[in-house]
This record gives sequence, C-alpha cells and structure tokens, in this order.
Amino acid sequence: DVKVTQSSRYLVKRTGEKVFLECVQDMDHENMFWYRQDPGLGLRLIYFSYDVKMKEKGDIPEGYSVSREKKERFSLILESASTNQTSMYLCASSSPDSGNTIYFGEGSWLTVV
Amino acid sequence: QKEVEQDPGPLSVPEGAIVSLNCTYSNSAFQYFMWYRQYSRKGPELLMYTYSSGNKEDGRFTAQVDKSSKYISLFIRDSQPSDSATYLCAIRNTGKLIFGQGTTLQVKP
Repeated sequence: DVKVTQSSRYLVKRTGEKVFLECVQDMDHENMFWYRQDPGLGLRLIYFSYDVKMKEKGDIPEGYSVSREKKERFSLILESASTNQTSMYLCASSSPDSGNTIYFGEGSWLTVV
Repeated sequence: QKEVEQDPGPLSVPEGAIVSLNCTYSNSAFQYFMWYRQYSRKGPELLMYTYSSGNKEDGRFTAQVDKSSKYISLFIRDSQPSDSATYLCAIRNTGKLIFGQGTTLQVKP
C-alpha cells in the first residue's frame, strides 16, 4: 500500500513563527503536492513538485514555500505564520506508473494563535 | 465560475437508502474523474476512478459521468452508517486534481 506520512498531526504556533510541515512517501513517486483544506472552500493546491529540486506554484502559494531535496520528502514552509493560515494541510503524491492516482496523507492540523 | 461545483450538503439519509452525490464541471476537455471519501480528521482516500463517459461499478458504489451535461455522480446503494463521511469529486487536469467542495453525508441507523 502507498503510504504518505505527515509527521506532525496537530500543531499550535504563534503568529510570526516559521513553521515546517514535513511529508514523506514510500512509493518512489515523482509527483508530490501540498493542499490546504478549509470549510466551504474545499481543497486548494498550494505547491506541487514533479521532481527533486523542482517546484511549481499552485492556486494559493502566497505566504508559503516548499523544499524537495530528496525524492521521497516534500516540505511545506510558512515563513512567518499568520492566523489566516490556520487550516488542515494535506500532502499527497502520485506517479505516472500508478496512473497518476493521487494518494493523500492523514493531514496536519495547524492552528496559528 | 468554479471549474468544479459540488453541493456541500449536509445530506442525511436513513440506513439502507440510495444516496446520490453530484458535481458539475466547466471544461468539456476534462477526461479523468474521481471520487474521494474523507472520514473526519483523516486524509481523503480514492473511492472510484472513471475515464471519459459512462458508468463504473464497485460493490455498492456506482460512478457515472455524463460528458454532454458535464455532470458526474456517485451512487451509493444500501447505504450504511459506515458510509458517513465527506465525499469529494475531483477532476484531473494535467497531473493535478481540481476538487469540488465536498458533500458531507450522514447515514443514520
């Protein structure tokens, strides 16, 4: 089974803090994604990556950056957390070899106070 | 206009009912359609995957795509309390997924 692991399930951070959300997948997938999910807004794509050291902006990249130094790991960085970034963050991965089916992690619940 | 529209509900049905969940989309070029199920405080999991038009059945679940109307549906037969979850339609566009808002379903025993 594909496993996408988000190391932090629940975090509480202060406004202005730098926040790292880590994601690891164990299926050698080329593609990795970060979404955020908010009530009434559904899932929105923040950033995605098709390969190591490559990144592409999604629909809502402002206030976020990403890092992909290794194929299995994709990190989401909030440079200076703000209260409007309180949300559930979902990491996902896919591969053309698996029909580009996207597999999600369990989610990271971030509260910024 | 949003690329994918989905009524967020909530939808409440008695156990055993047939459930119909629906989405509309705007771009007739879309070819790959998916339904994800998401339990509370969990990540979405792929439920059904359909390419182009037609029906696909998997146990109690049927996914239907009507490209002429740009309408996708998920039917759940003999619904169970364990089906209570949020159901998200999704359309694949060049390797990325575009999601509907999700419909919250509650199946009451």
